[in-house]
Amino acid sequence: QSALTQPASVSGSPGQSITISCTGTSSDIGNSNFVSWYQQHPGEAPKLIIYEGSKRPSGVFNRFSGSKSGNTASLTISGLQAEDEADYFCCSYAGRDTWVFGGGTKLTVL
Amino acid sequence: QMQLQESGPGLVKASETLSLTCTVSGGSVSSSRYYWVWIRQPPGKGLEWIGSIYFSGSTYYNPSLKSRVTMSVDTSKNKFSLKLSSVTAADTAVYSCASLGGNPSYFDHWGQGTLVTVSS
Repeated sequence: QSALTQPASVSGSPGQSITISCTGTSSDIGNSNFVSWYQQHPGEAPKLIIYEGSKRPSGVFNRFSGSKSGNTASLTISGLQAEDEADYFCCSYAGRDTWVFGGGTKLTVL
Repeated sequence: QMQLQESGPGLVKASETLSLTCTVSGGSVSSSRYYWVWIRQPPGKGLEWIGSIYFSGSTYYNPSLKSRVTMSVDTSKNKFSLKLSSVTAADTAVYSCASLGGNPSYFDHWGQGTLVTVSS
């Protein structure tokens, strides 16, 4: 069970859109409807922002969207705002009641 | 709104057993809606799922940690616990408890996390 692969960092200017990729295998992302994304600000607990690949929990802005193609899931944030600066983690069900996370991506809003 | 709070020693000696407890408020560990999980994050690294436990006591562990992990649930105290044996410096991390909901499909409530340092 290997960690999902995310870019270590991405950046964008306010108002722009960015996409964070999350690459796994056919044993996890490629074979799961249960891909989720989490936002974590420094010193705070992670917050669920996307579940089941593309669904948003109540209260999460529609600027956040998720998708999946093959073994890769993606998180897109449109209309970047300063408060979006945070760490983002992906997660996938990996079969046999196990879960695997990505290494995390630090988003910098320039 | 459900809240989770980790507690336990912040410093553990190498080769000993790390023990943490998660207290749940605003919800019940006896609920069939959730699994209860432990997740850790070593300094500067990503998140790692350690394991999950259901109110029935059924447990599911990360294969890489399975030989050293024991999780339990105490429905009378609305808590669940983690024990990680034979710790090394590689086990130094922020340990967080969380709920796994959505049938399950996502981690929806998280504790703040507690740093556990393994000393030699």
